[in-house]
Amino acid sequence: RKEVEQDPGPFNVPEGATVAFNCTYSNSASQSFFWYRQDCRKEPKLLMSVYSSGNEDGRFTAQLNRASQYISLLIRDSKLSDSATYLCVVNRAYNTDKLIFGTGTRLQVFP
Amino acid sequence: GAVVSQHPSRVICKSGTSVKIECRSLDFQATTMFWYRQFPKKSLMLMATSNEGSKATYEQGVEKDKFLINHASLTLSTLTVTSAHPEDSSFYICSAAETGLGETQYFGPGTRLLVL
Repeated sequence: RKEVEQDPGPFNVPEGATVAFNCTYSNSASQSFFWYRQDCRKEPKLLMSVYSSGNEDGRFTAQLNRASQYISLLIRDSKLSDSATYLCVVNRAYNTDKLIFGTGTRLQVFP
Repeated sequence: GAVVSQHPSRVICKSGTSVKIECRSLDFQATTMFWYRQFPKKSLMLMATSNEGSKATYEQGVEKDKFLINHASLTLSTLTVTSAHPEDSSFYICSAAETGLGETQYFGPGTRLLVL
């Protein structure tokens, strides 16, 4: 089983749509969770950290379910500029900076 | 915000040659830097952790004699791909964690290596 699993997509949605991505992780000792965004042929950029209580940043909402080892990202009112690959990232184990990346979910927003 | 640079951004080399990639933290000090590799349509895979002033620690399956890492200062780590082969062609990305400030990692723009 992969350490971090995501649906690769692609998700093709119209502008203004709401879209949700899911991710599961295998290591129950992981303590840090993130969503990164990667544009084609570019480096990943941190979108947001994910906290146990859930957190929101503008149109983006992240949720964490430790019991199910499940992370989600919700994007509301999709923009064309949201088109990218969204990477679910967890740290390998407690108190380590080593990050494990999912393969990413590709989002394509069309006019 | 924190900036990490990489040089070169892309390189084409002949099989058997060695290629050095530099990773610099421009406006902060980084005790730890990380080197990743990403093949097309695949996830980033951690290759090694570069520690300033000490030996790098390599992930399972990564040959330390092939991928030489040097972290000589708090702002510079280098990755040298020795005796490169076509299968080493990939996107190499470094990241740096700001010293003492936890887990936020800042990524360099990546180096695209093509070995002919």
